[in-house]
Amino acid sequence: SQQGEEDPQALSIQEGENATMNCSYKTSINNLQWYRQNSGRGLVHLILIRSNEREKHSGRLRVTLDTSKKSSSLLITASRAADTASYFCATDDPETSGSRLTFGEGTQLTVNP
Amino acid sequence: IAGITQAPTSQILAAGRRMTLRCTQDMRHNAMYWYRQDLGLGLRLIHYSNTAGTTGKGEVPDGYSVSRANTDDFPLTLASAVPSQTSVYFCASSQDPRGRDEQFFGPGTRLTVL
Repeated sequence: SQQGEEDPQALSIQEGENATMNCSYKTSINNLQWYRQNSGRGLVHLILIRSNEREKHSGRLRVTLDTSKKSSSLLITASRAADTASYFCATDDPETSGSRLTFGEGTQLTVNP
Repeated sequence: IAGITQAPTSQILAAGRRMTLRCTQDMRHNAMYWYRQDLGLGLRLIHYSNTAGTTGKGEVPDGYSVSRANTDDFPLTLASAVPSQTSVYFCASSQDPRGRDEQFFGPGTRLTVL
């Protein structure tokens, strides 16, 4: 079963606008990660936020984490056509032994020029 | 350039045939993973390896086997392919043997089983 669920499934915006994607998860976590996948390519890591952090920035990316609501959001500011991709959140479950990152189904972002 | 390579890039395979997908990383990462990605289902973990010499089952291990004889290589074998194994397969690695840091992904292998 999927731990993380992204919302919305698809998002279409104009270049220059901000894009916000949300992720909800079910169990406690050590950290939450966001990845990007361009069509036909492998995933690329964007940002990792630990369970004791509430907000993190990286360039035009801003990630928030609310462990009480078991949710996270990824904000891309001043979007560009090159930001068009699928975005996935991934969580690890501290109760699970071994290497386990569970990915959501992703949000497909389209940035129109 | 450091990273992960996968081979083949794509393959069409007859049902019942044996197939090994290759994955090699040159970052000396401890942990390696195999995922399959299907439309509407996201990425699902097939098998993983925390360190060389150890492997573990993920969410969807049936019909697949792996080995980790050394740090760099993590091949995935389909002993007798079935059409439901048609998918895009991604190999990934991470430095943390517990899998709690970022993962680096290969370019993927697109497998079609007829």
